[in-house]
Amino acid sequence: DIQMTQSPSSLSATVGDRVTITCRASQTISNYLNWYQHKPGKAPKTLIYTASSLQSGVPSRFSGSGSGTEFTLTISSLQPEDFATYYCQQSYTTPRTFGQGTKLDIK
Amino acid sequence: EVQLLESGGGLVQPGGSLRLSCAGSGFTFSNYAMTWVRQAPGKGLEWVSVITYTGGETYYTESVKGRFTISRDNSKNTVYLQMTSLRAEDTAVYYCAKNGAYGDCDYWGQGTLVAVSS
Repeated sequence: DIQMTQSPSSLSATVGDRVTITCRASQTISNYLNWYQHKPGKAPKTLIYTASSLQSGVPSRFSGSGSGTEFTLTISSLQPEDFATYYCQQSYTTPRTFGQGTKLDIK
Repeated sequence: EVQLLESGGGLVQPGGSLRLSCAGSGFTFSNYAMTWVRQAPGKGLEWVSVITYTGGETYYTESVKGRFTISRDNSKNTVYLQMTSLRAEDTAVYYCAKNGAYGDCDYWGQGTLVAVSS
């Protein structure tokens, strides 16, 4: 199975900050990398697919980059509603594994 | 508007069975693969299973192989997850998700809670 490792596991930040989360795959996954936002008690929300494509309706302050084994999710200017847990997922092969998550909270 | 509505969760004893359903609307259900993802209490998201748009291919995470079966009825716009030989570690909120063109989960349901306990 492909292992997905996110860093950091947790992050404290302030409204307006620029934040970057990294995801590393244990083997190459081309650009089959997706990012999700998850808040407690809510359905996960898709932010980015194929490493850098913004899901419809997602604010442009979210962006993704990378290919192969190294990927990043960047939030350019944190808003109050962005405090949540973020997951990367590879869809290159099954099982389509998730990273362990990055919890973003208010500093 | 794409909507996914899961049902069938509940409390079950270890070794028991449960069938989850997920009804889709707002899209052409028969054109898309469907996925189940779960989240155990205090844990992260875990990919469980996927079924192709025809139902002809299915895939599972190792821990549920031989115990869970994913299926679909395109005439009812519904995907199912039949769970047998349930264990305490299967306790989780189970989400169904519609797949996009690249295997991503582009829309998600609200989830249904499965609790395995005596």
